Amino acid sequence: GEDVEQSLFLSVREGDSSVINCTYTDSSSTYLYWYKQEPGAGLQLLTYIFSNMDMKQDQRLTVLLNKKDKHLSLRIADTQTGDSAIYFCAPTGNYGQNFVFGPGTRLSVLP
Amino acid sequence: DGGITQSPKYLFRKEGQNVTLSCEQNLNHDAMYWYRQDPGQGLRLIYYSQIVNDFQKGDIAEGYSVSREKKESFPLTVTSAQKNPTAFYLCASNQGSWYGYTFGSGTRLTVV
Repeated sequence: GEDVEQSLFLSVREGDSSVINCTYTDSSSTYLYWYKQEPGAGLQLLTYIFSNMDMKQDQRLTVLLNKKDKHLSLRIADTQTGDSAIYFCAPTGNYGQNFVFGPGTRLSVLP
Repeated sequence: DGGITQSPKYLFRKEGQNVTLSCEQNLNHDAMYWYRQDPGQGLRLIYYSQIVNDFQKGDIAEGYSVSREKKESFPLTVTSAQKNPTAFYLCASNQGSWYGYTFGSGTRLTVV
């Protein structure tokens, strides 16, 4: 089955850019999603990229996809304290299932 | 506003008791899911349902049961057979394959 890896922690200064990385194993992943989880809450769909794209920009968020290396990244520009959360990478599986999530990267934004 | 409602937000259970977690959605989504989240770990799939009156086991279904009698509702029962039920439980739904999830706000279950 699909295996998804992320680094567990990232700390940045307020105003800097954050880059959260994800690697996955299933090359047939069609949509690759990013979710955000704030403390004690459910996950919130942030953005996604379709597998035939290299990059997608959505305001402060930029998603980069290297399909050959099965590497996905989420860049947050001008990181704010409100961006402190856990970020999950979730590629869709063979038949479009979105069952497997990465372990999550805890982003801490320092003032 | 459309969304998913999970209740209760906090639940305490004595060992040996069954408890049922509620999940209701008004998004008209066909598919619904239950995940378990433990501290420092990702989400693990318990059960999912892609259509009314049908559901499939996920990776960690042992000790859990579900029903899907209505499109809007997908309750999860944590039975006494679940060895370590203390966790944060998340319900989600989507329109079907390839679509992203909408999540509820979660239920934190503690066994006392």
